[in-house]
Amino acid sequence: GAVVSQHPSRVICKSGTSVKIECRSLDFQATTMFWYRQFPKKSLMLMATSNEGSKATYEQGVEKDKFLINHASLTLSTLTVTSAHPEDSSFYICSARDVVRSSNYGYTFGSGTRLTVV
Amino acid sequence: ILNVEQSPQSLHVQEGDSTNFTCSFPSSNFYALHWYRWETAKSPEALFVMTLNGDEKKKGRISATLNTKEGYSYLYIKGSQPEDSATYLCASSTGGYNKLIFGAGTRLAVHP
Repeated sequence: GAVVSQHPSRVICKSGTSVKIECRSLDFQATTMFWYRQFPKKSLMLMATSNEGSKATYEQGVEKDKFLINHASLTLSTLTVTSAHPEDSSFYICSARDVVRSSNYGYTFGSGTRLTVV
Repeated sequence: ILNVEQSPQSLHVQEGDSTNFTCSFPSSNFYALHWYRWETAKSPEALFVMTLNGDEKKKGRISATLNTKEGYSYLYIKGSQPEDSATYLCASSTGGYNKLIFGAGTRLAVHP
């Protein structure tokens, strides 16, 4: 089946530094990837939709300069949290759309990244 | 309904019990309804994707139904087992890159 590898699973960084999170589709081409953030006991909140070779589409209220998304290849999308602050501490997770499978099998998720900014 | 809502928020059942949860979603511009199962420390796993009003899908002891006119879906688990313990998420899409809007999930705990 389709697999998405997300790294790192956990990261602790100092306030003011930047952190990069990677999502790779291992056995399919993901023309579209989605980035979510989850607050405690809340829904997965969609942050942005990333399409290979084009600029990401951000949801309302998400700062594009704070959360940089790059989707330079059909198998890799990255989310960079720039100048991180404690309020950016959260759980971030990606999902990828396999055009061939998604209509019947849904989207494939990474395992998530727990970011703690100290 | 503007958001995707799930109920109950959490559920505790005994092994062997059958159970069901509800997902409510906006019925306007509906495209698809997804159900995912999310175990702790793992990736969410897709269970069903449903698009047509009246759809019913089944996977082992788990089944789901869809009513797009009134905007709800039910997930049923027959004869719950401890390994069914997980958070069950539903998500609705309205087209446009098929982005998914998730509910907060139902946390199921099945006790032996």
